[in-house]
Amino acid sequence: DTEVTQTPKHLVMGMTNKKSLKCEQHMGHRAMYWYKQKAKKPPELMFVYSYEKLSINESVPSRFSPECPNSSLLNLHLHALQPEDSALYLCASSRKRLAGENIQYFGAGTRLSVL
Amino acid sequence: SQKIEQNSEALNIQEGKTATLTCNYTNYSPAYLQWYRQDPGRGPVFLLLIRENEKEKRKERLKVTFDTTLKQSLFHITASQPADSATYLCALEDLGAGSYQLTFGKGTKLSVIP
Repeated sequence: DTEVTQTPKHLVMGMTNKKSLKCEQHMGHRAMYWYKQKAKKPPELMFVYSYEKLSINESVPSRFSPECPNSSLLNLHLHALQPEDSALYLCASSRKRLAGENIQYFGAGTRLSVL
Repeated sequence: SQKIEQNSEALNIQEGKTATLTCNYTNYSPAYLQWYRQDPGRGPVFLLLIRENEKEKRKERLKVTFDTTLKQSLFHITASQPADSATYLCALEDLGAGSYQLTFGKGTKLSVIP
């Protein structure tokens, strides 16, 4: 199984809502990532978890709050988002965060629209 | 400043020809370079990884070269097919940053015309 599953596929939310994005992998990978991707732009790294601990936060606003409940699951909690946060949110995993081990497997993404 | 540049935003080629995509970088010391394919509205899919001490890597109709002197990688698709139409992203794993994270180029959108 080389699949990373993201739910929901689409999400529309108002600026006062609280919602969560979910990501799951069963490949035994110990590194998991959240990326944000705008149209015609490359994926931008937001957060990295390594062995269930947050190891990188790329200066992401606090209205995005990641959580890694166990080695297979990654959540991204959203609160008080802005319309400019509308984007494709991608989850990825890799075996480890080591040189040459960093091949990343991506989910299909959650298309988020903030109204 | 650090930059990853992919030669063109879009590339159109005829079916059956070889597509060549370019990835240039500045102010990086990548030990590894990866290529991904991304279809519209989907996540990137890993294609190939090449190490700094490897000149060339092949997988079926795909070939990647890595020239650390020129600071460039070339990605070739031979005998291209319409199904190869997608955006192709190069990504660097920069050991100099110490974090092993990937940084992606903006991608080249390839269209293979029947």
